[in-house]
Amino acid sequence: GAVVSQHPSWVICKSGTSVKIECRSLDFQATTMFWYRQFPKQSLMLMATSNEGSKATYEQGVEKDKFLINHASLTLSTLTVTSAHPEDSSFYICSARPSQGANEKLFFGSGTQLSVL
Amino acid sequence: SQQGEEDPQALSIQEGENATMNCSYKTSINNLQWYRQNSGRGLVHLILIRSNEREKHSGRLRVTLDTSKKSSSLLITASRAADTASYFCATTERQGNNRLAFGKGNQVVVIP
Repeated sequence: GAVVSQHPSWVICKSGTSVKIECRSLDFQATTMFWYRQFPKQSLMLMATSNEGSKATYEQGVEKDKFLINHASLTLSTLTVTSAHPEDSSFYICSARPSQGANEKLFFGSGTQLSVL
Repeated sequence: SQQGEEDPQALSIQEGENATMNCSYKTSINNLQWYRQNSGRGLVHLILIRSNEREKHSGRLRVTLDTSKKSSSLLITASRAADTASYFCATTERQGNNRLAFGKGNQVVVIP
């Protein structure tokens, strides 16, 4: 089946630094990728929709200057948490929608646990 | 905005028993999907049911959809310890950018 690789799996950083998370579709092309945030024992909150070659679409309340998204190729989207603060600590998950074929279901990365000290 | 909303549940069942969880939503949908998440991991797609379907089976999974009540149920038969996970429903709205809206999730623990 389709595989989405998300890296890193976990990261610890100091307050004020920036962290980049990568999401790669390994065996398919994805025009659209999604970035979610998840708090413990809660559901996934959609942060933004990443479209290859164009600007990301952010959900209401998500700061686009804080969470920079780049989707420069059909297989890679990145999320950069800029000037991270402890309240940014969370589990971030990406998903990708195949460009070809039946593309109603999403394929998810394994998530990134971010801890900001 | 989150649309699919499960009745928040934490199910604890014995291996071999069936597990049933429910989901309700608010707007018109194209389809409804169920996903599974193991602790600290990404989500895995389980099954998709379209708005014109009422029931669907996949292995030990059975999903129903009642568009008049805007609800769905997921049944896992003959549960196994490996079924221990969180289960989320997600809907694709008829109007919108084809994104998925996830519900709150059901925590299922299968005791061996």
